[in-house]
Amino acid sequence: QKEVEQDPGPLSVPEGAIVSLNCTYSNSAFQYFMWYRQYSRKGPELLMYTYSSGNKEDGRFTAQVDKSSKYISLFIRDSQPSDSATYLCAMIFLTGRRALTFGSGTRLQVQP
Amino acid sequence: KAGVTQTPRYLIKTRGQQVTLSCSPISGHRSVSWYQQTPGQGLQFLFEYFSETQRNKGNFPGRFSGRQFSNSRSEMNVSTLELGDSALYLCASSSTEKRGSTDTQYFGPGTRLTVL
Repeated sequence: QKEVEQDPGPLSVPEGAIVSLNCTYSNSAFQYFMWYRQYSRKGPELLMYTYSSGNKEDGRFTAQVDKSSKYISLFIRDSQPSDSATYLCAMIFLTGRRALTFGSGTRLQVQP
Repeated sequence: KAGVTQTPRYLIKTRGQQVTLSCSPISGHRSVSWYQQTPGQGLQFLFEYFSETQRNKGNFPGRFSGRQFSNSRSEMNVSTLELGDSALYLCASSSTEKRGSTDTQYFGPGTRLTVL
């Protein structure tokens, strides 16, 4: 079993829809959580990062962390065709090994 | 600030050859990490360098190695290339200095390596 599970999609939604992207993880030592967006043939771009359980909002994006359930989410409001990309969740330990552990990525397609 | 830069962007090699990839971190960032991205395995951590020292290492064979220079630029080397080494190699830099502290990693565009 992978440490981080993420539905690969593809997820297809109409423009303007609310998108929900999710990851679950098994290791409670993960304490710092990130969401990256990756366009085709490009490197991942950091969207949001959070440490605490609860919600963190940035424009159309909201990151949610539930440490008790080992579950993180990214919500995209008013989705745009330009949001079409692969979304990767990533997490890291606070101490010890400092490598990011990634989910497999969810491919999102926003239809105009 | 300029972002993370990687050279070359594309590379084609044949089995048995070796390759060196280069990464220049964001100015002021002293930590550089390398990742391999493939369709089957996703993004996997290779190693991290800080102040010219390897600080963390992933589960890759010894054919994968790296180094960091005094200006924080980093190179990774893959010797005796195999077909399975075909991948996007990504470099990420971060500004953290203390081991164990939180940080955010910013990625470069990657080097796409094809092994024939």
